[in-house]
Amino acid sequence: QVQLVQSGAEVKKPGASVKVSCKASGYTFNSYGISWVRQAPGQGLEWMGWITAHNGNTDYAKKFRGRLTMTTDTSTSTAYMELIYLRSDDTAVYFCSRGQWHLDYWGQGTLVTVSS
Amino acid sequence: DIQMTQSPSSLSASVGDRVTITCRASQSISSYLNWYQQKPGKAPNLLIYAVSSLQSGVPSNFSGSGSGIDFTLTISSLQPEDFATYFCQQSYSTPFTFGPGTKVDIK
Repeated sequence: QVQLVQSGAEVKKPGASVKVSCKASGYTFNSYGISWVRQAPGQGLEWMGWITAHNGNTDYAKKFRGRLTMTTDTSTSTAYMELIYLRSDDTAVYFCSRGQWHLDYWGQGTLVTVSS
Repeated sequence: DIQMTQSPSSLSASVGDRVTITCRASQSISSYLNWYQQKPGKAPNLLIYAVSSLQSGVPSNFSGSGSGIDFTLTISSLQPEDFATYFCQQSYSTPFTFGPGTKVDIK
C-alpha cells in the first residue's frame, strides 16, 4: 500500500532552517511528483510547491521563492523540503503528498514550531 | 493568483441530511477542481478530482459538479464519519490555491 512517512516534529529559532523528509513506499517513486502543503494552527491549507521525482523539476509558490528548496533522493524514494530564514509565521504542520494536480496520498504531517 | 472562496464557512446538519458546499474561483479554472476532507489532527483526504471523478475508495454518496468558476460538492446522505472540514483546490495554475474550508458539524 502507498505510504508517505514524514520526519518528526521540529522546534526552531527565528532565522534558522528546517529540513523535513518524506519517505515514500508502495509505488514507483519516479512515476509521480511530490507536493508540499502546510497548515498553520487552526488555519486552512497552503500550497507550497511541487517537485517531479524523476528529474527534480520544481515549481514553488512565489511567496516562498528564495527560502524554499525541494529535492528528492530516488535511491531511497525520499523527498525533502527545506525552508530557511524561518519566521514565527512559518509555524505550521507541513504535509507531503503524492501527485501534482491532485493529491491522492498524504504523509502524516510534521509540526514545525518557530519560537525564540 | 487564483482566489478560491467557499460557502458556507460552516454548517450544522443531521445524519441522513443532504449537504451541499459551494466553491467559487476568481477566474475560470476549467475542470481543474478537487475536493478534500480533513478531520482534526489528520492529513487531508482526496475525495473528488477534476470536478466529478470520485477517488478510489470514497463512498458514492459524495459527488461533485460544476465548471468554469462555480463548483459544488454534494453529500447525498450525511453519515457520522462525514463530520469534518472540506476544502476545494484549484489545479489550473500555480500556486494551486485552496478554499478556506467548510466545517460540517452535528446539529
